[in-house]
Amino acid sequence: QVLLQESGPGLVKPSQTLSLSCTVSSGPISTGGNYWTWIRQYPGKGLEWIGHIYSGGNTYYNPSLKSRLTISLDTSKNQFSLKLTSVTAADTAVYYCARGVLNAYHNYFDPWGQGTLVTVSS
Amino acid sequence: ETVLTQSPGTLSLSPGERATLSCRASQSVDRSYIAWYQQKPGQTPRLLIYGGFIRATGIPDRFSGSGSGTDFTLTISRLEPEDFAVYYCQQYGSSPLFTFGPGTKVDIK
Repeated sequence: QVLLQESGPGLVKPSQTLSLSCTVSSGPISTGGNYWTWIRQYPGKGLEWIGHIYSGGNTYYNPSLKSRLTISLDTSKNQFSLKLTSVTAADTAVYYCARGVLNAYHNYFDPWGQGTLVTVSS
Repeated sequence: ETVLTQSPGTLSLSPGERATLSCRASQSVDRSYIAWYQQKPGQTPRLLIYGGFIRATGIPDRFSGSGSGTDFTLTISRLEPEDFAVYYCQQYGSSPLFTFGPGTKVDIK
């Protein structure tokens, strides 16, 4: 069973860079067919897809975040990472990593990590 | 962008009752690309339904998904105490690739 675990600082200052990692257990992250995904949930509970990286390395970002966002893969650590620059209070949220499945038949996110709260504040 | 609207915002029901949750899309969505998630307080969203109607592994058969085009429904045939939670629909389609609805809270009447 695939398990995911986020890690990174819980507090980031405005204008700085938010950096998170997600460690994937059970199977190499380079296994084909998986979209390693970041999703965030605002304090008001809305969910927003941030972006994903395919196991082959291609990335897809939410256009609203694209100019500030980098998602990368580290196969040696079986991790994928998120970097979001120039953060503001609006980026305060619980950040989840998840495995995405997308093919000609269906799409879903499963499993999800436990989530990590990131607060942007000075 | 495909916007998903869920109704009602809150559904107050008693255990044993039937729950019908609606998810409406601002433009047509292939049913194959509709998923539903359940989230309990302090927990991670859990996949319930994908492909519009396919139950995820371990999901009891009291949960069912239906619909097509712009209107999709999650039905819980008989509410169990553990079903009181927030439910989100999610779609894959136009940019941004994936969007979620705002959620429907099912609480105990």
